Amino acid sequence: AQKVTQAQTEISVVEKEDVTLDCVYETRDTTYYLFWYKQPPSGELVFLIRRNSFDEQNEISGRYSWNFQKSTSSFNFTITASQVVDSAVYFCALRRTGRRALTFGSGTRLQVQP
Amino acid sequence: NAGVTQTPKFRVLKTGQSMTLLCAQDMNHEYMYWYRQDPGMGLRLIHYSVGEGTTAKGEVPDGYNVSRLKKQNFLLGLESAAPSQTSVYFCASSYSSPGRAYEQYFGPGTRLTVT
Repeated sequence: AQKVTQAQTEISVVEKEDVTLDCVYETRDTTYYLFWYKQPPSGELVFLIRRNSFDEQNEISGRYSWNFQKSTSSFNFTITASQVVDSAVYFCALRRTGRRALTFGSGTRLQVQP
Repeated sequence: NAGVTQTPKFRVLKTGQSMTLLCAQDMNHEYMYWYRQDPGMGLRLIHYSVGEGTTAKGEVPDGYNVSRLKKQNFLLGLESAAPSQTSVYFCASSYSSPGRAYEQYFGPGTRLTVT
């Protein structure tokens, strides 16, 4: 069985603070993919990043960065200098190679106060 | 390029009524999916399709049926709606390639309430 845990239900920060969203996953597979999606108040899901299990390089995209650590089964997401527009629910998801379904975590609601 | 679109955006049904949700994508994706999102539970896969004319069950298929008669469309049907099917329904699509998982692109969602 596989599982994705986002232990932080809700986080509130003040604009310009850095914030890290945690994602811990469980899978018996050696090959898998991890994803992050953003769901702003408008409701749609926006793809942010995909990482396969062979690639443990951290990635930075503007104010966003991701830290993938296979040893701790974690794929954490950091927003640097947060902005009000970052307010959203963020989902981490796991997909096994050869499978179709994404297994989603329960999401972390981030509120960035001005 | 509209991406993934869903019809309708909102719907209220009475218990026992039926309805069909329509999903359309213009990205020529092979794979299409239907998820439901419930508070505090993330998204769960209902059914999916790996190509025209093929469908398969996901994690929570009971009470739903699907059809994929055309590559660009994926329909989700509720034959006899129940209050437990009150949820937000998302359609998604993705490319396919052996041994590789592409990201899924999601539609805007349909909010369904069953009274």
